[in-house]
Amino acid sequence: KQEVTQIPAALSVPEGENLVLNCSFTDSAIYNLQWFRQDPGKGLTSLLLIQSSQREQTSGRLNASLDKSSGRSTLYIAASQPGDSATYLCAVSDQGGKLIFGQGTELSVKP
Amino acid sequence: EAGVAQSPRYKIIEKRQSVAFWCNPISGHATLYWYQQILGQGPKLLIQFQNNGVVDDSQLPKDRFSAERLKGVDSTLKIQPAKLEDSAVYLCASIPELRDTGELFFGEGSRLTVL
Repeated sequence: KQEVTQIPAALSVPEGENLVLNCSFTDSAIYNLQWFRQDPGKGLTSLLLIQSSQREQTSGRLNASLDKSSGRSTLYIAASQPGDSATYLCAVSDQGGKLIFGQGTELSVKP
Repeated sequence: EAGVAQSPRYKIIEKRQSVAFWCNPISGHATLYWYQQILGQGPKLLIQFQNNGVVDDSQLPKDRFSAERLKGVDSTLKIQPAKLEDSAVYLCASIPELRDTGELFFGEGSRLTVL
């Protein structure tokens, strides 16, 4: 049974810092991995999607890496801003399109 | 392009009452998901549809939860009777096709409070 774990559960950093969020999964037979952002009281917004054959994806200040063999992914946020404050969720997809989510990392960026 | 629409946004009911949530996916999206997100946790899949057929409902508590997508477009999730532990946000999501390599699109969710 696939399990997804995110560390840390919460993170507080001053504005301008670079930071890394971690995601690990137990079964390496994944179809893809996605990172989502969730603002309080809102739905999920997809940030980056990495196919199982890819190693990383970049979008603006965000960079996500995938090491399928070790069951790990990281989300790197450069030059953090207060607007980046949100919960970040990692999810892996199996061949049937089913997404298994981690519990999320709650990020707070202080001005 | 319109996003995934969900209603109602908020619902408060007493235990043992019933409630229904509605979802209209992005036009043309064949695959639709219902997720349950309890406060402080990641979303958990309840049911997955491909057009009007069920692909996966293994984690749906079928004694009290039901869902349908009769015409392969919009979908309804029902809880009857509700329990305190059903308090959560119910998220609907869609993608164009099963195994599509694109991203999953989520609605804003329906927040249920059971008293």
